[in-house]
Amino acid sequence: GAVVSQHPSWVICKSGTSVKIECRSLDFQATTMFWYRQFPKQSLMLMATSNEGSKATYEQGVEKDKFLINHASLTLSTLTVTSAHPEDSSFYICSARGPQAGGPYEQYFGPGTRLTVT
Amino acid sequence: GEDVEQSLFLSVREGDSSVINCTYTDSSSTYLYWYKQEPGAGLQLLTYIFSNMDMKQDQRLTVLLNKKDKHLSLRIADTQTGDSAIYFCAESTGGSQGNLIFGKGTKLSVKP
Repeated sequence: GAVVSQHPSWVICKSGTSVKIECRSLDFQATTMFWYRQFPKQSLMLMATSNEGSKATYEQGVEKDKFLINHASLTLSTLTVTSAHPEDSSFYICSARGPQAGGPYEQYFGPGTRLTVT
Repeated sequence: GEDVEQSLFLSVREGDSSVINCTYTDSSSTYLYWYKQEPGAGLQLLTYIFSNMDMKQDQRLTVLLNKKDKHLSLRIADTQTGDSAIYFCAESTGGSQGNLIFGKGTKLSVKP
């Protein structure tokens, strides 16, 4: 149990375009979802936290108009990178937690999405 | 602010034990976690320990917590080549607002 999927796993887009990444909890209701960014050989940086039906809470330094997060249902959150630039190229990972998957103490991570902006 | 520190590399021989260490600064941490990340993949929750515990064992994994020194370790017994990965230590204050603060990860290399 507690499986989180992401789609796509890998995407290449041109500079200036937007790309949407989906994160789904497959076998539990995710009351909270998190979006992280991971640079090569570095740790995960929390970008934002979203509770179902509420606006996302962004970490300091993360542009909310550039990284649009929607958590419209208990099993789906989306991250849209708007007007992407090469510096947005990174590995984006989502995680989710919910009462059916360990409660507030366990986060389950998706497999990540590799974004390359050319 | 909160900070989690780990050594970056560890190399062991197959069959030996591996010990990965982590220190953290937030004394209000209530949960401490170990995650495993294989190349190109997301993070897999290995185990976690509540701050009022000293030790937790789960098959080949043993977690030791020294709350006084804010030191956490993960011991992998009988390390196998499949254990080669990056291991992240993380802390959380728990609850609905508790987010995870990650260390930079320790790359474990297992030599046959």
